[in-house]
Amino acid sequence: DIQMTQFPSTLSASVGDRVTITCRASQSISRWLAWYQQKSGKAPKLLIYKASSSESGVPSRFSGSGSGTEFTLTISSLQPDDFATYYCQQYNSGRTFGQGTKVEIK
Amino acid sequence: QVQLVQSGAEVKKPGASVKVSCKASGYTFTGYTGYDMHWVRQAPGQGPEWMGWVNPNSGATNQAQKFLGRVTMTRDTSISTAYMELSRLTSDDTAVYYCARERRGPGGELNGMDVWGQGTTVTVS
Repeated sequence: DIQMTQFPSTLSASVGDRVTITCRASQSISRWLAWYQQKSGKAPKLLIYKASSSESGVPSRFSGSGSGTEFTLTISSLQPDDFATYYCQQYNSGRTFGQGTKVEIK
Repeated sequence: QVQLVQSGAEVKKPGASVKVSCKASGYTFTGYTGYDMHWVRQAPGQGPEWMGWVNPNSGATNQAQKFLGRVTMTRDTSISTAYMELSRLTSDDTAVYYCARERRGPGGELNGMDVWGQGTTVTVS
C-alpha cells in the first residue's frame, strides 16, 4: 500500500501569511494527487486534483505543485475562512489519505 | 444541484452489521463515463480512511485490503442509490462514514472526489 506523510501536522499562522503544506508519498504516484479542506463536522471539500489543477470555485490563493513523491499545497495569503484541516490523497493505486495538517490561528 | 444524501445515524452492537445508503441526485448516476462511488470513513479525531468503491454502471467493486471479506458495496440504479454494508463490527468501526463521487475527465482520467455526502455516524457499543 502507498503511504502518504504530511507535514507539519499543525501549523499556526496569521491572516495574510503565506502557508505551505507538504505531502510525501512512499513511492511515485506521478501526479495523481488531490488536496482537500475539511472543517469541523463537515465532509472534506476538493481543492486541487492532478497535483496542480484547481477545482472550480476554489479561490486562486490555493495552488498545488509537485510530482512523483513530493507535493505541496500553498495558500498565498491566508484568509479567516481558511483555518481548517487539509488532507492530501493519492489515487495512483487504491486511495490513501495523509494524516492531515491543521491550520490554526496564531 | 448535485448532491449525495446518506441515511441516518446508526448504533450497533459488536458483531452486528450496518448498511449505509447514499442517494444521488442532480446528475446521471450511470452516465457514460460513470462516476465511481467511493466510501470513506473517519474515526473521531483521525484522518479519512478509504474503504473502496462501486461503479454504478457495472456494479464492479474494489475494496481496500483492510476491509476485504467484511465490506460489501452495491448499488440500485433504479433509485440512484449506492450502499455500503460492513459486517462483524467492533468498537474500532465507530466512525463517520461518507460516500463520495469520484469524477472522471473527458479522457477518462480521475479528477478527485468532488461531491460528498453529509456523513453517517455509526457507533458500535
